[in-house]
Amino acid sequence: KQEVTQIPAALSVPEGENLVLNCSFTDSAIYNLQWFRQDPGKGLTSLLLIQSSQREQTSGRLNASLDKSSGRSTLYIAASQPGDSATYLCAALTGTASKLTFGTGTRLQVTL
Amino acid sequence: DTGVSQNPRHKITKRGQNVTFRCDPISEHNRLYWYRQTLGQGPEFLTYFQNEAQLEKSRLLSDRFSAERPKGSFSTLEIQRTEQGDSAMYLCASSFLQRALTDTQYFGPGTRLTVL
Repeated sequence: KQEVTQIPAALSVPEGENLVLNCSFTDSAIYNLQWFRQDPGKGLTSLLLIQSSQREQTSGRLNASLDKSSGRSTLYIAASQPGDSATYLCAALTGTASKLTFGTGTRLQVTL
Repeated sequence: DTGVSQNPRHKITKRGQNVTFRCDPISEHNRLYWYRQTLGQGPEFLTYFQNEAQLEKSRLLSDRFSAERPKGSFSTLEIQRTEQGDSAMYLCASSFLQRALTDTQYFGPGTRLTVL
């Protein structure tokens, strides 16, 4: 059974800092790994998707990496802004159902 | 492309009542998923459909829960005899399976259920 863990659970940084969010998964037989953003009381917004054959994906100030062999992914956010404050979830796609297994998220607060 | 929509957005009900949620996927998406998210946790898989066929159900989906996708378009999730433990955000996602297991899931805004 796939298990996904995210560290840290919460993070507070001043505006402008670069930061890294960590995600680990127990079953390396994943098809892809996605990072999502969730604002309070809202649904999920997909940020980046890394296929199992890829090592990283970039979108603007976001860069996600994937190391299947070690069961790890990181999300790097450059030059953080207060608008980046949200919960960030990673999810691994496994199994024939293509079901996503989510971590519990990292709650990020970027302060002025 | 209007995205995935869910109705209602919020539902407050008394314990023991039945509730039904609706999900309208992105048009032409052939896969539809239901997830449940409790406070402070990540979403957990409940069930999914490929077209109108329900292909997998999580053990989280007790016999009080039933999901349908009658014409392969919208889906409904019904909870009978609600319990306080059913209080959660119910998320729907859809995708278009082009090649095996590389589909991207797009999520709706969710339905927040509160059982009093």
